[in-house]
Amino acid sequence: AQTVTQSQPEMSVQEAETVTLSCTYDTSESDYYLFWYKQPPSRQMILVIRQEAYKQQNATENRFSVNFQKAAKSFSLKISDSQLGDAAMYFCAYGTSYGKLTFGQGTILTVHP
Amino acid sequence: KAGVTQTPRYLIKTRGQQVTLSCSPISGHRSVSWYQQTPGQGLQFLFEYFSETQRNKGNFPGRFSGRQFSNSRSEMNVSTLELGDSALYLCASSPRTGSNTGELFFGEGSRLTVL
Repeated sequence: AQTVTQSQPEMSVQEAETVTLSCTYDTSESDYYLFWYKQPPSRQMILVIRQEAYKQQNATENRFSVNFQKAAKSFSLKISDSQLGDAAMYFCAYGTSYGKLTFGQGTILTVHP
Repeated sequence: KAGVTQTPRYLIKTRGQQVTLSCSPISGHRSVSWYQQTPGQGLQFLFEYFSETQRNKGNFPGRFSGRQFSNSRSEMNVSTLELGDSALYLCASSPRTGSNTGELFFGEGSRLTVL
């Protein structure tokens, strides 16, 4: 069974600084997707960034970028120029089939002004 | 375009009762999946429906069931509620088209408290 591990229960960063959230996963599949979702205190999960396993190039979305190491099964999220609005729970997720994602336990990110 | 809508947002039940939660997906999305979120177990996949058929199922007891209607709206039902069923239940929709991006769009959830 696929598993996703986020080893950092909590992280903090100063506003305007950079922070990296870690994620590792275990799978025997060769074709899959990886995601980072953000869940602010209002609870609605929002997609931050997505990576297809067959793509070697790391995905980027404005201030958010990933470091995807397929052989090491590692998928970290880097947030640059952190903003107060980035404070949330961040989930790493793995998917192959439609609708079924396996999530990590989450990392609570605190942003200090 | 309206997002995923879940009702009710909050509800309180007692042990042994049953509960039905509703989810309206984003217009045009034909796949609806359900997740249970608890502090201890995190986010766990319950099931996914597409074209009124259950396509995937997580590792939950038979007390948890669901269905999907022809308009893609979905309901999930939990019978004989237990204290451990207290959780945030999240619904997510996706287009489930030929080009699978895997992305899910989530609702705000239904917070169930079992007393």
